[in-house]
Amino acid sequence: DAGVIQSPRHEVTEMGQEVTLRCKPISGHNSLFWYRQTMMRGLELLIYFNNNVPIDDSGMPEDRFSAKMPNASFSTLKIQPSEPRDSAVYFCASTQDRTYGYTFGSGTRLTVV
Amino acid sequence: QQQVKQSPQSLIVQKGGISIINCAYENTAFDYFPWYQQFPGKGPALLIAIRPDVSEKKEGRFTISFNKSAKQFSLHIMDSQPGDSATYFCAARTYNTDKLIFGTGTRLQVFP
Repeated sequence: DAGVIQSPRHEVTEMGQEVTLRCKPISGHNSLFWYRQTMMRGLELLIYFNNNVPIDDSGMPEDRFSAKMPNASFSTLKIQPSEPRDSAVYFCASTQDRTYGYTFGSGTRLTVV
Repeated sequence: QQQVKQSPQSLIVQKGGISIINCAYENTAFDYFPWYQQFPGKGPALLIAIRPDVSEKKEGRFTISFNKSAKQFSLHIMDSQPGDSATYFCAARTYNTDKLIFGTGTRLQVFP
């Protein structure tokens, strides 16, 4: 299995631009999670989906952030408009059921200048 | 109450020594406690996990000790190796959700 696949690995964008991060979970996994990692705040859960349905988006910082999961094999996290304080590493993770731990992707390092 | 407090923030250990990282929680609804290991440029990877009905779990050189009454759990790395140098995160999950709450991380450096 190729694991959780995220793209792009690195993204540099100008303030005000729209940014879309992509994630392909492991086939058969029914829960998907978006996390943000910064030095100051550590690993923060932004949103998670179960069977493609958003379950908890209480961690989404503000309306500029949105996430979708149109099918079991694809999810996006969009930031519009982006701001310098959004600079972080964004991780996607998936899990099969509550018996197993998460499998994380390699992350997308976002820099907003 | 949703927090998981982790210490120390950083740890330096000599090769062959024991590395100990501690975590504490308040929420008694937590029912699953994993530890993750993260290398630079990579995502966190599950290392070992424990449920509160067990006081200890060992996998190779890695051991979780769990104290339910004190609401504390710790990771012990025996015979620490330079290859263990990484950031370690404890985490916890409540019985009725899938979301993991992570500690703030411990950067471990093992010197030869």
